[in-house]
Amino acid sequence: KAGVTQTPRYLIKTRGQQVTLSCSPISGHRSVSWYQQTPGQGLQFLFEYFSETQRNKGNFPGRFSGRQFSNSRSEMNVSTLELGDSALYLCASSSTGQGGNEQFFGPGTRLTVL
Amino acid sequence: AQKITQTQPGMFVQEKEAVTLDCTYDTSDPSYGLFWYKQPSSGEMIFLIYQGSYDQQNATEGRYSLNFQKARKSANLVISASQLGDSAMYFCAMSLLPAQKLVFGQGTRLTINP
Repeated sequence: KAGVTQTPRYLIKTRGQQVTLSCSPISGHRSVSWYQQTPGQGLQFLFEYFSETQRNKGNFPGRFSGRQFSNSRSEMNVSTLELGDSALYLCASSSTGQGGNEQFFGPGTRLTVL
Repeated sequence: AQKITQTQPGMFVQEKEAVTLDCTYDTSDPSYGLFWYKQPSSGEMIFLIYQGSYDQQNATEGRYSLNFQKARKSANLVISASQLGDSAMYFCAMSLLPAQKLVFGQGTRLTINP
């Protein structure tokens, strides 16, 4: 079974631009979660989608948004990029979306905002 | 609110020795799950072990075991017979069941010396 894939792996953007990151979960997994990892704030939960519905949301501004498609693939969008948005963005999928289930992580997308 | 505390920013251990990574958590919710993840320098998060709050026995997965002390709110990871490949960042995380949102600690950087 293929693992979680994220594209692109690396991105360089400038302040004010917007960016879209993509995540393909493991086949059959319906829950996709997104996390931001920075040296200062560590790993922080962004949001979770299950069957195309956002079920949980972290404490991030509205510039961060996401969606999930019928095939469970997910995208997250960051508008009006700020320098502080530079981070590793990790996507994780799980089968049933129950909290006790293991979340499988992708390799991440490293975003640099100049 | 949930909180995870990892008090060891870095640890150095000789190869083949056992190592214990500390994790304490804070929540008033009775239903939660505790996770340990490994993050090598490549960035991908690798699931190691899971413990549910109602599990009576400590979880074990190969060389990994979780020392769960509910009254003390601790969930330490024990790695037996450490190997050079164990060098990585290790994160303790918690989710309030059944939600899928993981709250992470700041991590411990483990270095295994030959």
